[in-house]
Amino acid sequence: AQSVSQHNHHVILSEAASLELGCNYSYGGTVNLFWYVQYPGQHLQLLLKYFSGDPLVKGIKGFEAEFIKSKFSFNLRKPSVQWSDTAEYFCAVMPLSGGSYIPTFGRGTSLIVHP
Amino acid sequence: KAGVTQTPRYLIKTRGQQVTLSCSPISGHRSVSWYQQTPGQGLQFLFEYFSETQRNKGNFPGRFSGRQFSNSRSEMNVSTLELGDSALYLCASSPEISGAAYNEQFFGPGTRLTVL
Repeated sequence: AQSVSQHNHHVILSEAASLELGCNYSYGGTVNLFWYVQYPGQHLQLLLKYFSGDPLVKGIKGFEAEFIKSKFSFNLRKPSVQWSDTAEYFCAVMPLSGGSYIPTFGRGTSLIVHP
Repeated sequence: KAGVTQTPRYLIKTRGQQVTLSCSPISGHRSVSWYQQTPGQGLQFLFEYFSETQRNKGNFPGRFSGRQFSNSRSEMNVSTLELGDSALYLCASSPEISGAAYNEQFFGPGTRLTVL
């Protein structure tokens, strides 16, 4: 069965620091990749997605993620975080083969940004 | 557009009871998915409905079931509740663009179920 690993469960940063959250998945076939974010008191919402093409994708609020197929990774990055980026971040993988489209989510990374 | 709504927001039940949760998707969305979120397991996919048919199913026991109505509203039912069913149950709707695998999901606030 496929799995998604988010290595950092809790990350604490100061404003203006750079952010990189790791996401690795185990699935040999073609996948679609997503990062979702949940701000305090709000619903889960899409941050960015990768379907095909340029492996460097840009999302909302200055976030970007790079798909490295050889490493089965889809890491999330932001050059300079803000206090408002405090949230929980989830990586999700959707397999494209087998005819059964069941997404697998990572367990999430809690990010706290100190002002 | 109004977002995904879920009712009730909180629910307390005892072991052995059954429960029904409701989800109203964003207007125009025909795909509705359900997830169970717990601290230990994270977000786990329960099932997805599209046009009143279950299209995908996760690895949960048969006590977990669902259905979708012609207006795309969906219900999820859990029978014979167990303590381990305590969780946040999330509903997500999707526009059907180029197939299920390409759908961005729009999540609701969830129903917090506590089983005593």
